[in-house]
Amino acid sequence: DAGVIQSPRHEVTEMGQEVTLRCKPISGHDYLFWYRQTMMRGLELLIYFNNNVPIDDSGMPEDRFSAKMPNASFSTLKIQPSEPRDSAVYFCASSYTSGGEYFGPGTRLTVL
Amino acid sequence: AQSVAQPEDQVNVAEGNPLTVKCTYSVSGNPYLFWYVQYPNRGLQFLLKYITGDNLVKGSYGFEAEFNKSQTSFHLKKPSALVSDSALYFCAVRPLRDDKIIFGKGTRLHILP
Repeated sequence: DAGVIQSPRHEVTEMGQEVTLRCKPISGHDYLFWYRQTMMRGLELLIYFNNNVPIDDSGMPEDRFSAKMPNASFSTLKIQPSEPRDSAVYFCASSYTSGGEYFGPGTRLTVL
Repeated sequence: AQSVAQPEDQVNVAEGNPLTVKCTYSVSGNPYLFWYVQYPNRGLQFLLKYITGDNLVKGSYGFEAEFNKSQTSFHLKKPSALVSDSALYFCAVRPLRDDKIIFGKGTRLHILP
């Protein structure tokens, strides 16, 4: 298995633009997580899905953030409109029930 | 509130010496316990986990972790450190009947040649 795949790896955009981050989890994993990592706040859980259903989105910072999982092999995290304070590394992770999470390589987002 | 504490922001160890990275947790019941490593510009990599059984868990790259229920600790250890072990290490717990993993803030490990 190729592991968790994220795209793009780097994204530079201007404030106000829409940003879409993509994730392909490991096949067979039934959980998918979106995290954000910054120097100031460390690793933050934004939202997670179980069997494609959003379970807890309490970590999503604002209504500007939304996430979808239309099927077991694909998820998106969208920011609209983007702001400079959204600059961070965004990780997607997947897991089996009760297992450890396997992380993707991350998307480094810079909002100018 | 449930939490994970990594009391050291940074740990410096000479190459070849044993290393310990500390972790304590405050979670009800018997949680699952994890260690992850993050190298620069990379995602977190799973190192090892404890669910039940032997208190000493062996993981990747020669690392092991010791579960201590009375002290609610799960310290990461390695008998002989390598320079290539230099990275950011995260302790994490998953409470029973919870889907989410709670991460500590991370400890930066520096192995000095």
